[in-house]
Amino acid sequence: KNQVEQSPQSLIILEGKNCTLQCNYTVSPFSNLRWYKQDTGRGPVSLTIMTFSENTKSNGRYTATLDADTKQSSLHITASQLSDSASYICVVSPPNFGKGTSLLVTP
Amino acid sequence: KAGVTQTPRYLIKTRGQQVTLSCSPISGHRSVSWYQQTPGQGLQFLFEYFSETQRNKGNFPGRFSGRQFSNSRSEMNVSTLELGDSALYLCASSPESYTQYFGPGTRLTVL
Repeated sequence: KNQVEQSPQSLIILEGKNCTLQCNYTVSPFSNLRWYKQDTGRGPVSLTIMTFSENTKSNGRYTATLDADTKQSSLHITASQLSDSASYICVVSPPNFGKGTSLLVTP
Repeated sequence: KAGVTQTPRYLIKTRGQQVTLSCSPISGHRSVSWYQQTPGQGLQFLFEYFSETQRNKGNFPGRFSGRQFSNSRSEMNVSTLELGDSALYLCASSPESYTQYFGPGTRLTVL
């Protein structure tokens, strides 16, 4: 069964700190892995998309990594801002969705 | 370019009723996908339409149906509503590439 597991389920960090979100998957076949950011009350917005041959991709302060051998991905957020408070969703070979990590950045 | 629009944004129905949700994709996008999002299950894929044809379908009962028109606009219909159908219904459009652009969603509440 195709599964996408995200951890932690929720996270609280101080503004300015870094954090890393995890995504483990058992999806096969693999085509691509995406990270989305979803603000409360809004639809998800794409942050990064990685194919099998890519092991890192950045979008501003967001950096995603992919290890296709271990079937793991991470999303690293640098110098967090209050506006980073959102749910972060990992999607593998769509439409296999993780349940998301809820991030709260506090002053 | 205008983004993906969904109407209505909020909807309240009672059990047993039916509902139709509408999605207008970004101009030029031919693929439209529908998703159900609930706190417990996260995002779940309903179906995808491409050029008026259903290309993929998720694991939902037949009460959930959809269609796409020649202008790429799409509608989703849920018949015989159940309490568990209360959710945020998201529509996403894409050109023939990986990126999907989501609309703001329709929040459906079934009483």
